[in-house]
Amino acid sequence: DAMVIQNPRYQVTQFGKPVTLSCSQTLNHNVMYWYQQKSSQAPKLLFHYYDKDFNNEADTPDNFQSRRPNTSFCFLDIRSPGLGDTAMYLCATSSQTSGGGETQYFGPGTRLLVL
Amino acid sequence: AQSVSQHNHHVILSEAASLELGCNYSYGGTVNLFWYVQYPGQHLQLLLKYFSGDPLVKGIKGFEAEFIKSKFSFNLRKPSVQWSDTAEYFCAVTGGGGFKTIFGAGTRLFVKA
Repeated sequence: DAMVIQNPRYQVTQFGKPVTLSCSQTLNHNVMYWYQQKSSQAPKLLFHYYDKDFNNEADTPDNFQSRRPNTSFCFLDIRSPGLGDTAMYLCATSSQTSGGGETQYFGPGTRLLVL
Repeated sequence: AQSVSQHNHHVILSEAASLELGCNYSYGGTVNLFWYVQYPGQHLQLLLKYFSGDPLVKGIKGFEAEFIKSKFSFNLRKPSVQWSDTAEYFCAVTGGGGFKTIFGAGTRLFVKA
């Protein structure tokens, strides 16, 4: 089945130790998103790629970076995780011909714990 | 500031009861509206969406939602819930033509068999 896959599902890292989360998709969608969801809170958009164009949200900390080497893969890099970065990280995709607002397809998430 | 407010964080119902989950948004301009659902152990998935046209939209599993522009609301309804509707429900808004989707904090629904 076509889907959005995230690896790993669970990640424990130490304060300040860089971590990379992975997302892949078989939907061939041109837009990929990364969200951060803290406990009992709404998912919050960090950034998205429209094809190769990177779009950062204004309030996303510089500590968070992303790479999209090809259509199928997108990575979230946290350069120096802090305790406050403990959260669920969700990857999503959508197919846009123009503009935005289309349905997003979500992966299962990576639960990150920073100790 | 753009925001989405879901009225209830937790709802407990018995099977066959009617459901209405409230959602209000704050956004100037054209919007696309969504309800996503997350069943236990599963990922977020689309329940229904409104882009334009008939403000009453029907989704999967008997759910429907009504867009009331004057009230900035997009409430989710189901006439008779089932145990299998136990899940977390998220209301979301995207500005027309944009990519930034703002989610509500979610409502956890528990349906007692």
